[in-house]
Amino acid sequence: EPEVTQTPSHQVTQMGQEVILRCVPISNHLYFYWYRQILGQKVEFLVSFYNNEISEKSEIFDDQFSVERPDGSNFTLKIRSTKLEDSAMYFCASSGQQGSYGYTFGSGTRLTVV
Amino acid sequence: AQKVTQAQTEISVVEKEDVTLDCVYETRDTTYYLFWYKQPPSGELVFLIRRNSFDEQNEISGRYSWNFQKSTSSFNFTITASQVVDSAVYFCALSEAPRGTDKLIFGTGTRLQVFP
Repeated sequence: EPEVTQTPSHQVTQMGQEVILRCVPISNHLYFYWYRQILGQKVEFLVSFYNNEISEKSEIFDDQFSVERPDGSNFTLKIRSTKLEDSAMYFCASSGQQGSYGYTFGSGTRLTVV
Repeated sequence: AQKVTQAQTEISVVEKEDVTLDCVYETRDTTYYLFWYKQPPSGELVFLIRRNSFDEQNEISGRYSWNFQKSTSSFNFTITASQVVDSAVYFCALSEAPRGTDKLIFGTGTRLQVFP
């Protein structure tokens, strides 16, 4: 069964450093998303991406965040200067055009900012 | 505004008990999709079900069943004869795009603990 792959599974970074979280969505999907889950809390939408541009972003997704689909297969989330409060699990998801089976989530990247 | 409420923060049951997880949603759209996801201790999000707003038929899949009632804006999830492996956090979610390609709005989750 096709799956969304996220790397790394766990990343530890120092406050103020830049991090790039990587995702390989399902190959024939057209819509891509990043979600965040702070430990013990609900899953929150960050950004959606379609046709090589951001289609919607939440208020969490400020200027520190950016997304890119650099080569047609990878989908990345960059945090420019990490803060302690960016520590969370970050989930990538993709969806087919018809959304027949909903969204497929990756297994997540746990980001720890120290 | 769109919102999903899961009022039960944590539920504990003994194996073989039936348990129902409640989900109430708010939306102004007539077309929307509702989802349930399971998050086991390992952390991934496991898709359980997707239901569109025009299909109010209840659904059963093995020990799992879902009761969708538009009149009360609820989409409840029942596990029959619970097992220890059912222990997880369960999230209900709402998507308002007609083709299910818009963002998901999650509830705060219900942590289910099933004791042997």
